[in-house]
Amino acid sequence: GAGVSQTPSNKVTEKGKYVELRCDPISGHTALYWYRQSLGQGPEFLIYFQGTGAADDSGLPNDRFFAVRPEGSVSTLKIQRTERGDSAVYLCASSPGTSGGDLHDTQYFGPGTRLTVL
Amino acid sequence: AQSVSQHNHHVILSEAASLELGCNYSYGGTVNLFWYVQYPGQHLQLLLKYFSGDPLVKGIKGFEAEFIKSKFSFNLRKPSVQWSDTAEYFCAVTTNFGNEKLTFGTGTRLTIIP
Repeated sequence: GAGVSQTPSNKVTEKGKYVELRCDPISGHTALYWYRQSLGQGPEFLIYFQGTGAADDSGLPNDRFFAVRPEGSVSTLKIQRTERGDSAVYLCASSPGTSGGDLHDTQYFGPGTRLTVL
Repeated sequence: AQSVSQHNHHVILSEAASLELGCNYSYGGTVNLFWYVQYPGQHLQLLLKYFSGDPLVKGIKGFEAEFIKSKFSFNLRKPSVQWSDTAEYFCAVTTNFGNEKLTFGTGTRLTIIP
């Protein structure tokens, strides 16, 4: 079946501009995660959705970053007033969302969006 | 907060050599442990995971990892590597039920020489 997809695959923007990054999770997955991976680093958690609500946004670096998932499926990560330090690969992952007890979900990652801020 | 350390940044091996990549975590409570792999040009894929039970976990492509609680370690092993194992390997941990956010290490780049 189809995996997690992310669009665009590459985004080049200028400092100060607004960008939106899209994630289409695996169909039926209720949990969705955004991570950011800078060069030479492992992915860093940004935000987690369970259904439509952001269950944990503790990883968002500041209030320029915002994410939504209005219908509990597709999610959009929005970055205002981009800065050069925002340049990274933004990864999305989804999982079935049946956490708790003995059941732990594998997160399935998308290919990422490479954001370059000039 | 939990953290993950991968001390080997770049490992170079010849084909058929044995592999061990180190992973240590810091967290005093119950953890769930993962190894993810990223082949060149591809997205992150799960190699194996440990939640409970037998501390020796077997994953795909002949990989295995051993959870040693007393050492806070979850090292990845493979007895005989292949050129196709060339990739970036990430160790990761989760600690909470209901929020499985992953904390990753910085990764180890593995290069296999034919």
